[in-house]
Amino acid sequence: QSALTQPASVSGSPGQSITISCTGTSSDVGVYNDVSWYQQHPGKAPKLIIYDVRNRPSGVSDRFSGSKSGNTASLTISGLQAEDEADYYCSSYTTSSTWVFGGGTKVTVL
Amino acid sequence: EVQLVQSGAEVNKPGESLKISCKGSGYSFNTHWIGWVRQMPGKGLEWMGIIYPGDSDTRYSPSFQGQVTISADKSISTTFLQWNSLKASDSAMYYCVRQDRGNWFDPWGQGTLVTVSS
Repeated sequence: QSALTQPASVSGSPGQSITISCTGTSSDVGVYNDVSWYQQHPGKAPKLIIYDVRNRPSGVSDRFSGSKSGNTASLTISGLQAEDEADYYCSSYTTSSTWVFGGGTKVTVL
Repeated sequence: EVQLVQSGAEVNKPGESLKISCKGSGYSFNTHWIGWVRQMPGKGLEWMGIIYPGDSDTRYSPSFQGQVTISADKSISTTFLQWNSLKASDSAMYYCVRQDRGNWFDPWGQGTLVTVSS
């Protein structure tokens, strides 16, 4: 199975909102609401920030929000802060009973 | 606190075998799937496979089927990722992850860096 498609990089100024897309197929993103998002700072393990398309784990800022339309899921970061500079990965469950990640998006705070 | 603690960094030669581990604590180990994720240097995350420690039911990504073996020893709450013959291209960071109540992964282990070099 192919990786989900994410933009390689997205940037924004402090306080702005940015959106990262995650495009899959009718075998993964399009058929399940099992999309999750992970934040990875340099040299650290990834951390769950969104599950089931739009739900935030306890302790994750409400500046992070998720949505989905058809085969594309999206992560929006509002009120961008310096600490949000990191790599972000989407993931989806698939019809093969496996999982697939996106290629990752580097977020830069200008 | 739910935790996954992985074994330490490894340096091996091509052709050698290797088994790295991931110990779970703070939750019912037997009733949560544990997966493995590869991250090659400077690259993205790749899902490798997953095991249910309760009955050792295992699934692999087609990309990793036959290349690695995932196993578990529920008596010590530990899962393993094993190679029979390492290649230089196996050099990467490997994370274990717990499948939570649904189809997402939380928490993640701290990672095990595997370096394969002659």
